[in-house]
Amino acid sequence: EPEVTQTPSHQVTQMGQEVILRCVPISNHLYFYWYRQILGQKVEFLVSFYNNEISEKSEIFDDQFSVERPDGSNFTLKIRSTKLEDSAMYFCASEPWDYNEQFFGPGTRLTVL
Amino acid sequence: GIQVEQSPPDLILQEGANSTLRCNFSDSVNNLQWFHQNPWGQLINLFYIPSGTKQNGRLSATTVATERYSLLYISSSQTTDSGVYFCAGGYGNNRLAFGKGNQVVVIP
Repeated sequence: EPEVTQTPSHQVTQMGQEVILRCVPISNHLYFYWYRQILGQKVEFLVSFYNNEISEKSEIFDDQFSVERPDGSNFTLKIRSTKLEDSAMYFCASEPWDYNEQFFGPGTRLTVL
Repeated sequence: GIQVEQSPPDLILQEGANSTLRCNFSDSVNNLQWFHQNPWGQLINLFYIPSGTKQNGRLSATTVATERYSLLYISSSQTTDSGVYFCAGGYGNNRLAFGKGNQVVVIP
């Protein structure tokens, strides 16, 4: 069964460094999302992406965040200058064109030191 | 944005017992999903249920969209059912709003 994949599974970085989190959505899905979950808290929406552009973003998704679909398969989230409070699990999700169920990847645990 | 309330926040079950988890929404949603978060943090899709009732093995879910709530039933619980259960509702361009989760512990 097709699934969303994410790499790396765990990333440790120093404060101020740039990180890129990668996702491969399910083939033929058209809508893509990033969410994050700070340890012990609920999952929060960051951004949605469709037709090569951002369709919606939350107040969390400020100028230090960016998303890109560099080719036909990858979907990336870049954090330009990481802060301690960016430490969280980051989930990628994708959604097919014909019904709006979202399928989540296994997540990338980001630790900012 | 939409507020999602889940109850009860914590639940301890004896193996074999049945339970009901509830999710209330502050406004109408165009999508409703239930997830189970396993000990490794992965979000496992349980149900996509914007309305009606679905069953999958020992789990079933019911959504009453007009009254803005959904229920997840766990029957004959097993220790592997332990974990956090999240409901989430889609609004806007289908951004999902999550609840804080139901922490379920099933003891043998």
